Amino acid sequence: GENVEQHPSTLSVQEGDSAVIKCTYSDSASNYFPWYKQELGKGPQLIIDIRSNVGEKKDQRIAVTLNKTAKHFSLHITETQPEDSAVYFCAAFKRGNDMRFGAGTRLTVKP
Amino acid sequence: NAGVTQTPKFRVLKTGQSMTLLCAQDMNHEYMYWYRQDPGMGLRLIHYSVGEGTTAKGEVPDGYNVSRLKKQNFLLGLESAAPSQTSVYFCASNFLGGTETQYFGPGTRLLVL
Repeated sequence: GENVEQHPSTLSVQEGDSAVIKCTYSDSASNYFPWYKQELGKGPQLIIDIRSNVGEKKDQRIAVTLNKTAKHFSLHITETQPEDSAVYFCAAFKRGNDMRFGAGTRLTVKP
Repeated sequence: NAGVTQTPKFRVLKTGQSMTLLCAQDMNHEYMYWYRQDPGMGLRLIHYSVGEGTTAKGEVPDGYNVSRLKKQNFLLGLESAAPSQTSVYFCASNFLGGTETQYFGPGTRLLVL
């Protein structure tokens, strides 16, 4: 089955700096890659996603890039703010209802 | 519009006890999902449902049963709880399944002693 690896597991940055989280997947048939943000005590919430026919997608301070050849995709957050502090999950979707998640990255933005 | 709600928020069980976790959504979604979240392992799909009266196994279904008697509710049952089932359980839902955005509930924290 699909295997999604996510790095780093923890990331600490200064407010205003950029943060990058990377994921790799194993199944070349995966075609949809969402990113979720989970705040303390809450469920995950979709923040951005990308499909396999697109190389990059941007939404304000958040961007995602996809390299299908290398089978990896990344989340980029620019001008980080304290409210960006949360756990971020990547996921890869292949078919049916089989979504596989990475282990998560705990991002801390220091004021 | 409450979205996806889960009850209870927290529960402590002894090994061998049974319990049912309730998920409810008021968005008229067809698809509903149960995940478990363990440290260092992300979210793993336990069971899901593609509509009222249907259920299907996910990645880690053993030890769990589910029922979808009403479209808005998805129940997750543990017949004989084990310490390995200590986890945080999340319910999610969406209209059409597949790559459509899943909306998650706030989670249920379960501790099995």
